[in-house]
Amino acid sequence: AQSVSQHNHHVILSEAASLELGCNYSYGGTVNLFWYVQYPGQHLQLLLKYFSGDPLVKGIKGFEAEFIKSKFSFNLRKPSVQWSDTAEYFCAVFKAAGNKLTFGGGTRVLVKP
Amino acid sequence: DSGVTQTPKHLITATGQRVTLRCSPRSGDLSVYWYQQSLDQGLQFLIQYYNGEERAKGNILERFSAQQFPDLHSELNLSSLELGDSALYFCASSPGTAPSTDTQYFGPGTRLTVL
Repeated sequence: AQSVSQHNHHVILSEAASLELGCNYSYGGTVNLFWYVQYPGQHLQLLLKYFSGDPLVKGIKGFEAEFIKSKFSFNLRKPSVQWSDTAEYFCAVFKAAGNKLTFGGGTRVLVKP
Repeated sequence: DSGVTQTPKHLITATGQRVTLRCSPRSGDLSVYWYQQSLDQGLQFLIQYYNGEERAKGNILERFSAQQFPDLHSELNLSSLELGDSALYFCASSPGTAPSTDTQYFGPGTRLTVL
């Protein structure tokens, strides 16, 4: 069965620190990859997505993610976080077989001012 | 605001009952997706409708059903409710039929509590 793993469930860091959230998936073949974010009290929204081409993808709010096919990973990064980045972050993977988006368990990020 | 609306926001009911959750997609979006988010299972895809027809099915129980109406709003029906059905139910919409590439726009969710 396909699975998406986000190994860090909770991350606490200070403003201006760098952030990296891990995402690994368990199957080969062609995949499309997404990061969604849910700010407190708000709906899930797309941060960035990767389909093909340059494996380094830039998204909104200064976030980027790197697809490393050999490691089955799609890690999310931000060089310098702000208090407003406090949120829950979800990695999601689409594989054609099954025709659905599979989400990871989420990582709660708390940025201390 | 994503443009996707869900009603009700909260629902409290008893085991064995049946409830209906409603979702209105963004204007112009033809696909509607339903997800269940619980503490133990995370965010799980239930079902997708595109322009009134079922398009893809995920981990949806037989006690659950959904439909999309001609005006494109969708309803998720949950019957014979069990304690374990307590969860946050999200609806999302997208313009086309391809969850592979479409950005999905999520609603605020309906929190269901089964007592």
